[in-house]
Amino acid sequence: QQQVKQSPQSLIVQKGGISIINCAYENTAFDYFPWYQQFPGKGPALLIAIRPDVSEKKEGRFTISFNKSAKQFSLHIMDSQPGDSATYFCAAKRVDTDKLIFGTGTRLQVFP
Amino acid sequence: DGGITQSPKYLFRKEGQNVTLSCEQNLNHDAMYWYRQDPGQGLRLIYYSQIVNDFQKGDIAEGYSVSREKKESFPLTVTSAQKNPTAFYLCASSMSGVQPQHFGDGTRLSIL
Repeated sequence: QQQVKQSPQSLIVQKGGISIINCAYENTAFDYFPWYQQFPGKGPALLIAIRPDVSEKKEGRFTISFNKSAKQFSLHIMDSQPGDSATYFCAAKRVDTDKLIFGTGTRLQVFP
Repeated sequence: DGGITQSPKYLFRKEGQNVTLSCEQNLNHDAMYWYRQDPGQGLRLIYYSQIVNDFQKGDIAEGYSVSREKKESFPLTVTSAQKNPTAFYLCASSMSGVQPQHFGDGTRLSIL
């Protein structure tokens, strides 16, 4: 079964620090890699996404880095804030379908 | 404004009972999805539908059923055959062939 492996499972960062979450995939036939942010009791919301023809995408304090040869992509949150405390999911979409395969999630806690 | 509405927010099921979770969207999206979320397991696809009157099984369809009679609606029935139904259920939608998927705020199902 195709998988997307996400790490770490949980992450504690001090306010102002950098949060880094990593994902790796096992199949090359993916063409879209989104990151979702989820607060307790809410549905996931798209944070930022990247396609494999780009190695990096930045939106405000959030950056995706993509390494196609290593089949890895990561989310960097610069200047982490307490309001960033949430669960983050990476995902990957197969080329021939609209289905997303999700990682297992990372619970981020940012302390003041 | 447009979005995805899931109801109810909390649902309780008795042993041997079928329950139906509602998902309605006014985004004019063609594709709709049902996911199950368990702690530490990310989001797993139950069923998806790309057009009205058509749907396909996802990775964990056993014990669940769906219908897609209207573009706006994609109800999920959790049948008595689903032996471990306690979870957070998320509905999503997207334009076919276009990302991202947009999520509702979920229904939490528990067993009495």
